[in-house]
Amino acid sequence: AQKVTQAQTEISVVEKEDVTLDCVYETRDTTYYLFWYKQPPSGELVFLIRRNSFDEQNEISGRYSWNFQKSTSSFNFTITASQVVDSAVYFCALIKAAGNKLTFGGGTRVLVKP
Amino acid sequence: DTGVSQNPRHKITKRGQNVTFRCDPISEHNRLYWYRQTLGQGPEFLTYFQNEAQLEKSRLLSDRFSAERPKGSFSTLEIQRTEQGDSAMYLCASSLGDGSYNEQFFGPGTRLTVL
Repeated sequence: AQKVTQAQTEISVVEKEDVTLDCVYETRDTTYYLFWYKQPPSGELVFLIRRNSFDEQNEISGRYSWNFQKSTSSFNFTITASQVVDSAVYFCALIKAAGNKLTFGGGTRVLVKP
Repeated sequence: DTGVSQNPRHKITKRGQNVTFRCDPISEHNRLYWYRQTLGQGPEFLTYFQNEAQLEKSRLLSDRFSAERPKGSFSTLEIQRTEQGDSAMYLCASSLGDGSYNEQFFGPGTRLTVL
């Protein structure tokens, strides 16, 4: 069985601060994909980033960056120089290769204050 | 280029009534998924279609739930004899291709309240 844990339930920061969201996962599969999704107050889940289990290179995309460490089964996500519009619930998710269902964590609510 | 749409956006019903939700995926997306999200939780997988074939169902999908995707286009999710525990946001997603690599695009959801 797969499991995704987001230990932080809520994070509050002041605009321009960096925010790092933690994600720890469990899976017996050797090949899988990890995702981060954003759910703003409107409710629609928005895809942010994806990482393959066989590629541990960390990347930066605009103000987003991620740190994937297979040895510790962690897939942390950072928002640099946060903005008020970043306020949302962020979900980490896992899917096995050739699988069909995403397994989501419980989400972390981020509140960015002006 | 429109995204995934869901109707209705909100549904309030009395316990015991039947409800039906509709999802229109992104055109040409062959995969369609239904998830359920309760307050303060992450979405949970319910079922999945590849074209018109329903290929996987979660144990969360009791006998009161049925989903269809006729002609491989839009999909409907019906809940019969609703219970208060069915109150949740029902999310639909679609994706293109055959691999789990492709991201799932989500609709705005249908929020169901069972009184």
